[in-house]
Parts: sequence; C-alpha cells; structure tokens
Amino acid sequence: GEDVEQSLFLSVREGDSSVINCTYTDSSSTYLYWYKQEPGAGLQLLTYIFSNMDMKQDQRLTVLLNKKDKHLSLRIADTQTGDSAIYFCAEIGGNQFYFGTGTSLTVIP
Amino acid sequence: DGGITQSPKYLFRKEGQNVTLSCEQNLNHDAMYWYRQDPGQGLRLIYYSQIVNDFQKGDIAEGYSVSREKKESFPLTVTSAQKNPTAFYLCASNSYNSPLHFGNGTRLTVT
Repeated sequence: GEDVEQSLFLSVREGDSSVINCTYTDSSSTYLYWYKQEPGAGLQLLTYIFSNMDMKQDQRLTVLLNKKDKHLSLRIADTQTGDSAIYFCAEIGGNQFYFGTGTSLTVIP
Repeated sequence: DGGITQSPKYLFRKEGQNVTLSCEQNLNHDAMYWYRQDPGQGLRLIYYSQIVNDFQKGDIAEGYSVSREKKESFPLTVTSAQKNPTAFYLCASNSYNSPLHFGNGTRLTVT
C-alpha cells in the first residue's frame, strides 16, 4: 500500500492560520483530497486538487501541491473553534484510496 | 437527499458472536468500501466492491465478510474470528474517478 504521512497534532489560536501538511508517495495520483472528521462522525470532503495544479483556493481554504517533493498542504485562514477536527489527506493509487493517519487540529479560544 | 446510511450508530456484542453492520447508499454509486478506524491509525481498508456480486479483500480482511447482492447495499459481518473487533467502522461509496462519500459510521464494542 501507499504511505501517506501526516503529523498527528496541531494547536492554533482562534483567528490565526492553520497549516496541515501531508506527504504522499504515488507520483501517478491524479487527485489529492482533504477530508474533515468531527467527533463521532464520518469523513466530509473539504476540497481536492488535480495533480497538474499547484494551488487551489476555496474561501478560507488554500491547498498547495509540490509534486517534486510529493508534499501537500492545507491552509485554513482565520481558524475558528468549529474547525477543530481531524483532517485527513488522501491520494488515489491504482483505483484505491490511501489515507494519512489524520491530523487532530485543536483551536484555542 | 442522497447519501450513505450506516446503522446502527452504536452496537454492543458479546465476544464470540457474529454481528452485521448495515450500509445503504442512494447515490447510484458503483463502488462501495468498508474501512476500520482505530485511534492514531487512520483508516484501514477491509473490503471493497466495484460492481454488484463482486468484491475484493482490502488490507485487513481477516475475520470479516461482505456481500453485494444489490447496488445500494454492502453489509459487513464481523465474525468471531476477528481478534480485536472493537473499533469505529466507516462505509463509503463513489463513482469512477470521483471522491469517496462517507457514512456517519458505526461504533462497535465487543466485550
């Protein structure tokens, strides 16, 4: 299987920006995804980026992709307490999805 | 509203009993998936099915079984052979080359 890596924890103060990082392994992935999981719930698709793009912005969310380093990041501007959750990056490889371990974001009021 | 429904939300069983988790989707998706989630380990694929009456083992299929008799339904049975069945189970579906859509999960506790 593919090895998608994320740091486990991140804490930020309300109003600051959060940056969640991810490294992936399959250079042939066509899409890379960010999902959000709130406690006791399933995963909700936040955003995704096509592999031939460097950046995608969607309101408070900015996704950056560095294909050379196989590095993906999710920036959340003006982080709110409602953004506290676990964030997963995922890639598709060989018709299967591979998920990172998830980064638990805590927003401090 | 289209979506994926997992039931029940919480399930309690005694060790040695088989238990079946339900997953239904009305998104007309061809593919369906079962994942297991344990704290700090992300999601691990148990089984997946690309079409009706066909399914493949994922990374941790031992102790689990599935069926795909209808496009909308992909039930997962946790058998007594599964050594550590207590976990959060997530069902997902998608169409070809599109993102996964997830249900809200079933938390299974086996004592």
